[in-house]
Amino acid sequence: AQSVTQLDSHVSVSEGTPVLLRCNYSSSYSPSLFWYVQHPNKGLQLLLKYTSAATLVKGINGFEAEFKKSETSFHLTKPSAHMSDAAEYFCVVRELSGGGADGLTFGKGTHLIIQP
Amino acid sequence: NAGVTQTPKFQVLKTGQSMTLQCAQDMNHNSMYWYRQDPGMGLRLIYYSASEGTTDKGEVPNGYNVSRLNKREFSLRLESAAPSQTSVYFCASSGVRQGYYNEQFFGPGTRLTVL
Repeated sequence: AQSVTQLDSHVSVSEGTPVLLRCNYSSSYSPSLFWYVQHPNKGLQLLLKYTSAATLVKGINGFEAEFKKSETSFHLTKPSAHMSDAAEYFCVVRELSGGGADGLTFGKGTHLIIQP
Repeated sequence: NAGVTQTPKFQVLKTGQSMTLQCAQDMNHNSMYWYRQDPGMGLRLIYYSASEGTTDKGEVPNGYNVSRLNKREFSLRLESAAPSQTSVYFCASSGVRQGYYNEQFFGPGTRLTVL
């Protein structure tokens, strides 16, 4: 069975400083991993996804994530935070179970606060 | 392309009332999903449909039914609403072709309050 843990429920950084949102997963098989962002009162938007082609994945808006199999981690980073990055971020894992369920398992989310 | 659309955007029900949440996608996707989002819980899968004509239960199906009307449309029905079903509901779709790395595309959500 798969699971995902987002290690921080809230992260606060100053504008212009680096962002680190941490995610650990457990999976019986090689996972499919995603980061989504949700701005207030909006739907979810894909930031990036891990497809096994490369361990360092670049996404939209300057975000990137590194897949580390030995640490079962997929942390999201950005070199310099912008006010518009304030949002909820979800780490997501997919594992094809024997039952064929195709749904994703979501972490509980990290609320990113950007201080001016 | 409108992507994934959901109606209504907001709804207030009394306990015991019924309603249907509508979802449509114009991306020719095979799979469609219904999630609910509650504070501190992330998103939890209610039902999904891997292809037209098939539906399966997700993590939290009790109190809900679904219909995959055609390839574009996937509706969620609450037969007798309860306060515990107060939540934000998201529809999503995925996959023109089967693929392990297919991402899901989400609608804007329906905010439902059950009094």
